Amino acid sequence: AQSVTQLDSQVPVFEEAPVELRCNYSSSVSVYLFWYVQYPNQGLQLLLKYLSGSTLVESINGFEAEFNKSQTSFHLRKPSVHISDTAEYFCAVRDTGRRALTFGSGTRLQVQP
Amino acid sequence: DAGVTQSPTHLIKTRGQQVTLRCSPKSGHDTVSWYQQALGQGPQFIFQYYEEEERQRGNFPDRFSGHQFPNYSSELNVNALLLGDSALYLCASSRGVETQYFGPGTRLLVL
Repeated sequence: AQSVTQLDSQVPVFEEAPVELRCNYSSSVSVYLFWYVQYPNQGLQLLLKYLSGSTLVESINGFEAEFNKSQTSFHLRKPSVHISDTAEYFCAVRDTGRRALTFGSGTRLQVQP
Repeated sequence: DAGVTQSPTHLIKTRGQQVTLRCSPKSGHDTVSWYQQALGQGPQFIFQYYEEEERQRGNFPDRFSGHQFPNYSSELNVNALLLGDSALYLCASSRGVETQYFGPGTRLLVL
């Protein structure tokens, strides 16, 4: 069985500071990895994904994540956050041979002015 | 291009009742997955439908059932509602096993 651990339930950070949201997973097979963002009272929006190829993936709004197979991690980073980045961030994994996404418990990013 | 849509947005039921939630997938998508997100937690996979059949199921009791129609839309049915069924129910659509895109969810409150 696979699992996802998001070590930080909340991450407070000041505007324009860098941030890293940590994600570790466990799986016995090859995986696809995802970060989704959830704004208050909304559904999930896909932020970025790793399917294959380059281990560094980027989103259109400045986030990036790096797949590290040896450490089974897929940490999310942004060099300079904005107030509008305040949201809940979920890391998810899917075995390449399966259909279901397994989510972590989420990290609440709170950007303060 | 409309994304994934869900109805209703909110719903209040009492214990023991039955509920039906609906989902229309994004244009071009043929697969629908359902997730339950309890307050303060990550989404949990309920099941996935493709070609009108349940293809994979998570660890949910038989009270949770679903259906997919020829136009790829889907319904989630929950019978004999319990207080613990109160949650945000999310529908995600995809093209087969490709990346899943989520709808806004239906918030169910069971009293």
